[in-house]
Amino acid sequence: EVHLLESGGGFVQPGESLRLSCVASGFTFSTYAMSWVRQAPGKGLEWVSAIRGSGGITFYADSVKGLFTISRDNSKNTLYLQMNSLRAEDTAVYFCAKDDNSLDSWGQGTLVTVSS
Amino acid sequence: DIQMTQSPSTLSVSVGDRVTITCRASQIIRTWLSWYQQKPGKAPNLLIYKASSLQSGVPSRFSGSGSGTEFTLTISSLQPDDFAIYYCQQYNSYPYTFGQGTKVEIK
Repeated sequence: EVHLLESGGGFVQPGESLRLSCVASGFTFSTYAMSWVRQAPGKGLEWVSAIRGSGGITFYADSVKGLFTISRDNSKNTLYLQMNSLRAEDTAVYFCAKDDNSLDSWGQGTLVTVSS
Repeated sequence: DIQMTQSPSTLSVSVGDRVTITCRASQIIRTWLSWYQQKPGKAPNLLIYKASSLQSGVPSRFSGSGSGTEFTLTISSLQPDDFAIYYCQQYNSYPYTFGQGTKVEIK
């Protein structure tokens, strides 16, 4: 059974940084792309970033390009999202998802709150 | 970027009703479309992939159809557990994009 567990969320001030982690189990992690998707309070889903299985190719939404960096450590079955220069509009629950084109498995999410 | 437009935004329905949700893409995405169900405080759950393929474990009352730019999610007979928000998502190309969601609520 696929299991994804996010961590690293919290309360930060505007301009600060945060790194999210997502530990995966139940599948061959290095074989699959992974995505981050976020959901602001009371709003819809917004895809944020993706990374190929090898880690060599990454994709970003325009809203986070140059600010967020996705990476992975296949030896640790772990996905990361480094978020720099955080803004109030980055406040959201951040989900990691197994990206087999469809997002077929999701973690429970971790809440990031950016506020002064 | 490919824009995804869902309609309606809200559906007020009764148990046993047939429910149809539409999703339109701003450009051709062939059948690279998924549907998700999300309940309050929970992660989304994949229902349909490749426009019409039922994800393992999803009840057969859910079905999807369409190709190109027009897609439909149908619930043949709504059950109490189906009151939720439904999203479409294209994966024809990055950036992936979602529809704005359709809330299915109790009439």
